[in-house]
Amino acid sequence: AQSVTQPDIHITVSEGASLELRCNYSYGATPYLFWYVQSPGQGLQLLLKYFSGDTLVQGIKGFEAEFKRSQSSFNLRKPSVHWSDAAEYFCAVGAAKAAGNKLTFGGGTRVLVKP
Amino acid sequence: EAGVTQFPSHSVIEKGQTVTLRCDPISGHDNLYWYRRVMGKEIKFLLHFVKESKQDESGMPNNRFLAERTGGTYSTLKVQPAELEDSGVYFCASSHRTPQGRGNIQYFGAGTRLSVL
Repeated sequence: AQSVTQPDIHITVSEGASLELRCNYSYGATPYLFWYVQSPGQGLQLLLKYFSGDTLVQGIKGFEAEFKRSQSSFNLRKPSVHWSDAAEYFCAVGAAKAAGNKLTFGGGTRVLVKP
Repeated sequence: EAGVTQFPSHSVIEKGQTVTLRCDPISGHDNLYWYRRVMGKEIKFLLHFVKESKQDESGMPNNRFLAERTGGTYSTLKVQPAELEDSGVYFCASSHRTPQGRGNIQYFGAGTRLSVL
């Protein structure tokens, strides 16, 4: 069975500082990987995805993530955080072999941005 | 293009009552998914429709939950009777249909927050 772990429940970062959110997954084959963000009162918005190819993927809002097969990781990064990045971030893995691609999510990381 | 729409945004009911949640997917999306996040836990898959057919309902917690997607458009999720542990945020997502083994992108609604008192 697939699983996703986000080790950090909360992260506090100063505005302008860099941000890295960790994500480790367990899956028997090449996974489809996603990062979603949920801002207060909003739905889940897709930041970026990895299906295949280049292991460094660029997303919206200046985010990027790197797929490292050897470490079963898909960490999310942003070089300089803005106050509007305060939100909850979810890493997810899709079941590539099964029809339907249901997603398995990590527990989420809540990011607080200090002025 | 309208996104995935869910309503109500918030529902407060008493234990034993019935609640129906509705999801309108993005037009043209054959895949429709329901997920749930119980307080303090991760978001978990409930079920998946392809058009009007249930493709996978392995995540449905018990027979108090009934999902339908008549006509392959909008979907409803009914909880009857509601219990305290059903409280949480119910998300709906939709996506285009892709061949098996190919990834798809799921677009999520804002969720329905269900509070069972």
